[in-house]
This record gives sequence, C-alpha cells and structure tokens, in this order.
Amino acid sequence: YVLTQPPSVSVAPGMTARITCGGNKIGSRRVHWYQQKSGQAPVVVVQDDDDRPSGIPDRFSGSNSGNTATLIITSVEVADEADYYCQVWDNSSEDRVFGGGTKLSVL
Amino acid sequence: QVHLLQSGAEVKKPGASVRVSCKVSGYSLKELSVHWVRQAPGKGLEWMGGFDREEEDTFYAQKFKGRVTVTEDTITDTSYLQIRNMRFEDTAVYYCVTVGALRSLEAFDIWGQGTRVSVSP
Repeated sequence: YVLTQPPSVSVAPGMTARITCGGNKIGSRRVHWYQQKSGQAPVVVVQDDDDRPSGIPDRFSGSNSGNTATLIITSVEVADEADYYCQVWDNSSEDRVFGGGTKLSVL
Repeated sequence: QVHLLQSGAEVKKPGASVRVSCKVSGYSLKELSVHWVRQAPGKGLEWMGGFDREEEDTFYAQKFKGRVTVTEDTITDTSYLQIRNMRFEDTAVYYCVTVGALRSLEAFDIWGQGTRVSVSP
C-alpha cells in the first residue's frame, strides 16, 4: 500500500496549511499524522483521522475521505515548521505504512 | 505517563549484528504493542516490525523478514530489536514506538529518543 505526500508546502504565518496524503480508498482506513522537528523524534499530532492527543493545540485537525486524507493547521506559527508524515495500518498485509513526508515551511 | 528509554549509539562493521533495547516505564509492556521504526540520514520514516499485543504475534515489513527479530522481556518491560548481517544502508536512527498507550488502537503514540546505528568498515 502506497501513501503519497507532496514533498513540500509553504505558508505564511497566520494562514492555514493543508498537507495531503493520497492512497487507494484511504477513506476506509484510519490515518495518523506525525510532526518531526529537526533533530527530534516524531510526535503524533492527529490520530484516527481527526482525533487530537492530549497536549496538541486545536489548530491541528484532520480529515479523511475517498482517496485523500488531509492534515489542516490553522493560524500557522513559525514553531510549526517541521516534517509531517501520514501513516496507516494496512490490515490486509499487517504492514504499517508511512507516507514519504512533507516539509512545511513557514515563510 | 509512558516513557521509552533506548540504548546508546552503536557502530558496527558490515556483516555484524546489533541489538537495540527499549525500556518501557510508566506502563506494563504486557498492555502495549511495541514496534520499531527507522530513519536513514535525510530520509523518511520506515516501519520495520513489531509485536502486536492484540494478535499475540510479531509482524515484519517484507524487506526485513529473515534479517530482523523483535523480542521482548515482559519481566523487565524491555523490547529488543536485533539486526543481523548489517549493511551500509542500515545506517540510521532507530526508534521504538508504542501502540495503545493513548486512545488510539493503531497510532504510534509514544516514541523513544532514538538510537543512532552506524555501519562503517
């Protein structure tokens, strides 16, 4: 199972960033999103399509339908600059699959 | 609060084996699934394999089957990743991650600090 993300997304501070994750019938799977800042371990920011773990700002949200899942970050801050990865569990193969990652730049 | 503490950096020669450990605290390992994810320099995240507590079985990505083994010691709450016959392309940071520490039954919810493994002649 393949997940496709754009290599990079740029957004101005205060605006809304949308990072997509494409996969065949991804809407039928639960999608999880991870933020990885430079030199740090990843952190889950959205799990199960649209659930935010404790401590994650409500500026982070997710949607998932059809062949595309989307991570939405509103009121983007410079501190949100990071690599973002989507991930699903392919229960037909028992594989956990990551997208290639998207570098978010806040200009 | 779940915390994962991994063993220190390793340098290995091609063909050697390495074992990385991941100590779980704040939770019993018996209540979690622990997986392993790696990241080569400048590259993305790659799932390697892990123990699924619900299935009571260990699963591996196809490319690692036969060369990688995930084991655990539930007495010491420690998970282990062993890689045999190491290659230059195994140079990476290796992370242990949990499933089941938070609300989700699938997401990698807690990550270790990472262990840098270098393969060098």
